[in-house]
Order: sequence, then C-alpha cells, then structure tokens
Amino acid sequence: DARVTQTPRHKVTEMGQEVTMRCQPILGHNTVFWYRQTMMQGLELLAYFRNRAPLDDSGMPKDRFSAEMPDATLATLKIQPSEPRDSAVYFCASAKPGTEQNIQYFGAGTRLSVL
Amino acid sequence: AQTVTQSQPEMSVQEAETVTLSCTYDTSENNYYLFWYKQPPSRQMILVIRQEAYKQQNATENRFSVNFQKAAKSFSLKISDSQLGDTAMYFCASNTNAGKSTFGDGTTLTVKP
Repeated sequence: DARVTQTPRHKVTEMGQEVTMRCQPILGHNTVFWYRQTMMQGLELLAYFRNRAPLDDSGMPKDRFSAEMPDATLATLKIQPSEPRDSAVYFCASAKPGTEQNIQYFGAGTRLSVL
Repeated sequence: AQTVTQSQPEMSVQEAETVTLSCTYDTSENNYYLFWYKQPPSRQMILVIRQEAYKQQNATENRFSVNFQKAAKSFSLKISDSQLGDTAMYFCASNTNAGKSTFGDGTTLTVKP
C-alpha cells in the first residue's frame, strides 16, 4: 500500500532550536508539496518541488525556513531558529501530475510544538 | 491564480440524513481538477472525490457525490445517509495541470447520533 511517510509524527522543541522534518514521497511521484496547517491560517502551501527542483517557495519564510530534496526519495523541511509561532501541523504530499487527475497524497503530518 | 471559497465554517447533520457542503472557486486555467478531501480527528487528509473540469458528468463515490456547475464555478459535495464516521473537516481544492493545489478554509461537519 503506497503512502507518503513523514517523520517525526510529533516534535516538541524549545525556541531557537533547529527542527528538521522529513518526508518520503510515494515511489514514482515526481512532485512534492509542503503545507502548514494552523487554526488561524488554515492549510497553507509553503513550497513544492518537481523532479527535485524547487518550483515555488513563495509561501515560506525565507529567513528561517528551508526545503530541499537531497534525492527522489527524501524531502526535508528545516526551521532554524524555531519560534513559538511556527507551532503547527506540517504536511507533506506527493503527486505525479498528468496521471490520476493530479491527486495529491498526503502524509500523516508532523505536529510541531515550539515552547 | 486560483481561489477556493468554502462559506460554511461549520455544519451538522443527523445520522442517516443528507448534507451538502458548498464550495466555489475561481481559476484562469482552462483545464483543471477539483477535489474534496476529508480530515478526521486523526489529521490524515483523505481524498473523498475528484472531478475533471472537462467532464460534465458529476462524480460519484458511494454515498458521496458532487454537483459541479462549471459556469457558476460551484463544486458542492453531497453526503447521503450520513454516518458518525463522516464527522471531520472537509476541504475543497482546485488543482491545475501543473499540479499546484489551492485549498479552501474547510467546513467542519458534525454527524449527530
């Protein structure tokens, strides 16, 4: 059963610490998305990649956030330094545009709490 | 640019009854896709139903169906014979050929026993 895998599922950290979230997309999917979900802002697109290259990261605070795809099986989202306002659930999704009506398959999310 | 609007922040329905969730969208794309996702308390985003904009026939998946009105840019979700397990937040989304999605703010649906 193919699925998007995100680690860790939960992360509690202190303000100022570096946080790294990981995502393993579904094998064969060439597009990866990072979303942030909060009560106030809803579901926001932070960045997305196609064939490991960033296509759009306009939703991401550049001063502290960075997203990369070291290889086709791993996407990372880093926050350095973290702040309490970064507390949210971060979702990764993968897709293969042009197939399956562009369906995005979501991971279970990483719940981040910055104290 | 795409926008998706869900005007109903919260809704409730009695078990076994029918409920309709509203969604309107705007897009400059000629070819696009529309989706409804369900997010239960577990937080997992689950695809409920999808519709290709070029298809006139409304999509149906078991108890879930859509009313797609392309000219009005409306894409509502009907849930028939509501079940307690349908309690969740529902997101409407539009998606371009390039794969980028825009999501609405969500509608929290509560199914009451």
